[in-house]
Parts: sequence; C-alpha cells; structure tokens
Amino acid sequence: DAGVIQSPRHEVTEMGQEVTLRCKPISGHNSLFWYRQTMMRGLELLIYFNNNVPIDDSGMPEDRFSAKMPNASFSTLKIQPSEPRDSAVYFCASLIRTSYYNEQFFGPGTRLTVL
Amino acid sequence: QQQVKQSPQSLIVQKGGISIINCAYENTAFDYFPWYQQFPGKGPALLIAIRPDVSEKKEGRFTISFNKSAKQFSLHIMDSQPGDSATYFCAASSTGGYQKVTFGTGTKLQVIP
Repeated sequence: DAGVIQSPRHEVTEMGQEVTLRCKPISGHNSLFWYRQTMMRGLELLIYFNNNVPIDDSGMPEDRFSAKMPNASFSTLKIQPSEPRDSAVYFCASLIRTSYYNEQFFGPGTRLTVL
Repeated sequence: QQQVKQSPQSLIVQKGGISIINCAYENTAFDYFPWYQQFPGKGPALLIAIRPDVSEKKEGRFTISFNKSAKQFSLHIMDSQPGDSATYFCAASSTGGYQKVTFGTGTKLQVIP
C-alpha cells in the first residue's frame, strides 16, 4: 500500500484565493482526520470522519474552512477565501484498529503558504 | 479536560544518553496512550503505545512508563542516537467511540554526537 496520499505537497497562493487540499486514505481504514501544524499552535485536529461521516468539526477554525468525504477513498479540505494566517502544514491521517494499537497513519502533509 | 500536557518543549542529549519526555493527562476516560515520532518534512508516525493495564512497555530502546494514579506517562529513549533526533508527540484517546486522539504539544529532541 502507498500509504496516505496527499496533494499537492506544496501550495503557494495569494490571500483571497480558494485552496483545496486532497487526501486519499489507506484502503480499508474507516476513520480520517485532518490536522493543521504550526510552530505556534502545534498539531491541531480540524475535523474527523468516521465511515465518511463528519463526526467532530469543532476544530475547524471558521466558516472559511470546509471538509468533505464523498467516499471512502477521498477527502478534501477547502479554504475559501484563504488568509495569510492559514499558512501551515496540513496533514491528513487515516486510522486502523488492531488488537492492541489504534494507529493513525499520517500523510506527508501539504505545506500551504498564503501570501 | 481534553488536554495532554507535554514537557520539555526541547531536549538536547548526548549520544548514548537517556532521553526522557513526560506527559500528563486529565481525562480518566483515556485508555490508549501512543507516542508519535516526526522527522522534519514528514508526517508523524506511531512509535510505541501503551494501555493502562500495564505500567511499562518496552520496544527496543524505547520504553513507555505509565502511572495511572498520577495520570502521567513518559517516554524513555535509551542509548540515544543522532538518528533519534526528531519531534516526539505524546497522545491519548479513548478506544470507545470515534478514536479521537488528543496530542501533546511536542518535544524537539536533538541528540549530539
């Protein structure tokens, strides 16, 4: 398996533009998480889905952020309009339960820069 | 009540030394405590995890010590190597429900030769 796939890996955009980040979870994983990581705030959970259904979006900073999971193999995080303070690394992770571990597998992240 | 507090923020250890990172939690519903390791430019990856039915778990040079009554747990890295230089996150979750994981703020470890 290729692991969690995120695209793009880097995104540079101007303030006010729409940004769409994409994630393909590992096949068979039924939970998906979007995180944001910054130096100031560390790793923040934005939203998580279970079986494609959004369960907790309390971490989404404001209405400019939205996330969808139309099927088990694809999710998007959209920012519209983007602002400089949205600059961060955005990670997608999917989860599998084993007999002992509940392991989240993280993607490589998308580094977003909003100018 | 959902917080996981982690210390220190940064740590410098000499090669061969012991690295110790501490975490504390408040939510008694947490019953799964993983540690994640993150190298620059990469996503975090699961390193080791423990459940509260044991007080210690060891995998190679990495050991988690768990104190249920104090609601504290720690990661020990024995014989620290330069390749261990990374950011380490402790985390906690309740395995019932929807697997939401609460992460600590991270510790940046530097192992110097």
